[in-house]
Amino acid sequence: DTAVSQTPKYLVTQMGNDKSIKCEQNLGHDTMYWYKQDSKKFLKIMFSYNNKELIINETVPNRFSPKSPDKAHLNLHINSLELGDSAVYFCASRRDTLNTEAFFGQGTRLTVV
Amino acid sequence: GQQLNQSPQSMFIQEGEDVSMNCTSSSIFNTWLWYKQDPGEGPVLLIALYKAGELTSNGRLTAQFGITRKDSFLNISASIPSDVGIYFCAGSGGSYIPTFGRGTSLIVHP
Repeated sequence: DTAVSQTPKYLVTQMGNDKSIKCEQNLGHDTMYWYKQDSKKFLKIMFSYNNKELIINETVPNRFSPKSPDKAHLNLHINSLELGDSAVYFCASRRDTLNTEAFFGQGTRLTVV
Repeated sequence: GQQLNQSPQSMFIQEGEDVSMNCTSSSIFNTWLWYKQDPGEGPVLLIALYKAGELTSNGRLTAQFGITRKDSFLNISASIPSDVGIYFCAGSGGSYIPTFGRGTSLIVHP
């Protein structure tokens, strides 16, 4: 029944590893995002996809690569993880590009050691 | 880019007190949203505002879209312990992409 679900909820990994976070929404929305929340709780948009197409790519290192196999899924792959990548990553969706209301997943707490 | 100033940064209140927080923007917004984030969870949408001057309530919560379209306010009346959390404002202009404030952390003492 969860509208926006992401896995895993917790991810602890070593520097240099590659990891993925998966996100799925069952709201029938066209647009999905990835946000990063830092230790001070600031929410910053990273990427936005609309109908599987990338429409926003904020200043994010190339090590971060989103992938949308269909409009209900938006995954985030991170290569060569660094300590500074430690944060909570939120997936969110909204109905379409003309609608602002975003619905968030529970978050993935990534800890790089 | 758009800048959102949210204040206060944190609030410590007694149960039963009313709470007010606000956000101001450097640019005009078409939509204002207010979210609440509980520990270990994602932000949950509380109220959405679409017109300047609009006043909308959700239970004990009331939010207003400022007349200048550059600010918004959230009030919580008769606070209870479960109101604890971080409250975020978010606004968007023509892009419809929400920009978030830095949050107001609310602690309610029983």
